[in-house]
Amino acid sequence: GAVVSQHPSWVICKSGTSVKIECRSLDFQATTMFWYRQFPKQSLMLMATSNEGSKATYEQGVEKDKFLINHASLTLSTLTVTSAHPEDSSFYICSARSLKGLIYEQYFGPGTRLTVT
Amino acid sequence: LAKTTQPISMDSYEGQEVNITCSHNNIATNDYITWYQQFPSQGPRFIIQGYKTKVTNEVASLFIPADRKSSTLSLPRVSLSDTAVYYCLVSGAGSYQLTFGKGTKLSVIP
Repeated sequence: GAVVSQHPSWVICKSGTSVKIECRSLDFQATTMFWYRQFPKQSLMLMATSNEGSKATYEQGVEKDKFLINHASLTLSTLTVTSAHPEDSSFYICSARSLKGLIYEQYFGPGTRLTVT
Repeated sequence: LAKTTQPISMDSYEGQEVNITCSHNNIATNDYITWYQQFPSQGPRFIIQGYKTKVTNEVASLFIPADRKSSTLSLPRVSLSDTAVYYCLVSGAGSYQLTFGKGTKLSVIP
């Protein structure tokens, strides 16, 4: 299947600093990527849809000025958590969709564990 | 987006076949069903996807009745390494966003 990578796999930062997470589709091009957040023992929550060459679409309740998304190429989307606070500590997962025949399959990255101290 | 309902948890012994059923009463005509597996601190892994009847791959089978209001993921002869959370999702060409429910936590017992 298609492979999606994320970097870094984990990061610790101080409160008030910004952190950038990269999501790459390694063997396919993805015009659309998605960013999710997952808190311990909870399900994945969609944060935003990242579209190559255009602005991201954010889900209700997600601050677009705090979670900056850039989808500069067909294989790379980045999520920047600005002025991070301890409540932003979470597991961030990206996904990218690949067209297989007439339907799309979505493949997920391994996730990035963010800890804000 | 069609809402899905799954059992919160299931236990099974090693070597048994496990069937996890998901209900999706409001599935639309152009929606298809996808199952993912997630281990702790990892991203979800694609297992199988289908639209109707039966789909089989090297790791699982997916059974979808004619009315498509439910689906059953079948894992043959589970092992300890199959302990994970399994998510059933419904999406279509026009609604490609995936909305995750609570999933089913499968615990395989030796």
